[in-house]
Amino acid sequence: AQTVTQSQPEMSVQEAETVTLSCTYDTSESDYYLFWYKQPPSRQMILVIRQEAYKQQNATENRFSVNFQKAAKSFSLKISDSQLGDAAMYFCAYRSLLGGSNYKLTFGKGTLLTVNP
Amino acid sequence: DAGITQSPRHKVTETGTPVTLRCHQTENHRYMYWYRQDPGHGLRLIHYSYGVKDTDKGEVSDGYSVSRSKTEDFLLTLESATSSQTSVYFCATRENTEAFFGQGTRLTVV
Repeated sequence: AQTVTQSQPEMSVQEAETVTLSCTYDTSESDYYLFWYKQPPSRQMILVIRQEAYKQQNATENRFSVNFQKAAKSFSLKISDSQLGDAAMYFCAYRSLLGGSNYKLTFGKGTLLTVNP
Repeated sequence: DAGITQSPRHKVTETGTPVTLRCHQTENHRYMYWYRQDPGHGLRLIHYSYGVKDTDKGEVSDGYSVSRSKTEDFLLTLESATSSQTSVYFCATRENTEAFFGQGTRLTVV
């Protein structure tokens, strides 16, 4: 079974600065998806960014980018020019493309990001 | 946003009573999921469905059952609620790559 590890329970960043959230995962598969979800205090789960494992190019979405290191099984999220609205819990998630496990997302335990004005 | 509605949004129930949470979607997505979120545990999969009447267990399925008689509805039942089932429950749907989440149901078992 796949596992996802977020080693930083909490992080903080100053407004306008850059922060990187870490995520590692364990899998024996070669093709899969990785995701970062944001959960603000409203509790809504919002997709931030996704990465297909077969793509070597790192995904970017505006101020959000990832550093995908397939061999190291690492998938970190970089937030540039941090804003107060970025304060949230961030979850890393993995989805297999094989067989029955294709159906589900496996989540890490989350990193709580605080943005200081 | 995907049209996913969870009901109720909040519920307090007594130990030993059955509870049913409902997830309704308007997107005609094939896959539906129930997760629970607890501090320090992230989101853990309870049950999922890959079609009408096709369901399977996730990693924390004990004490829960599900049913999916229509594409749009996925019900989660706590057969006899316990305090350990106090949690926030999320429904999610997926058709292709991305999963979409409902707003969650906060369940308190007293």
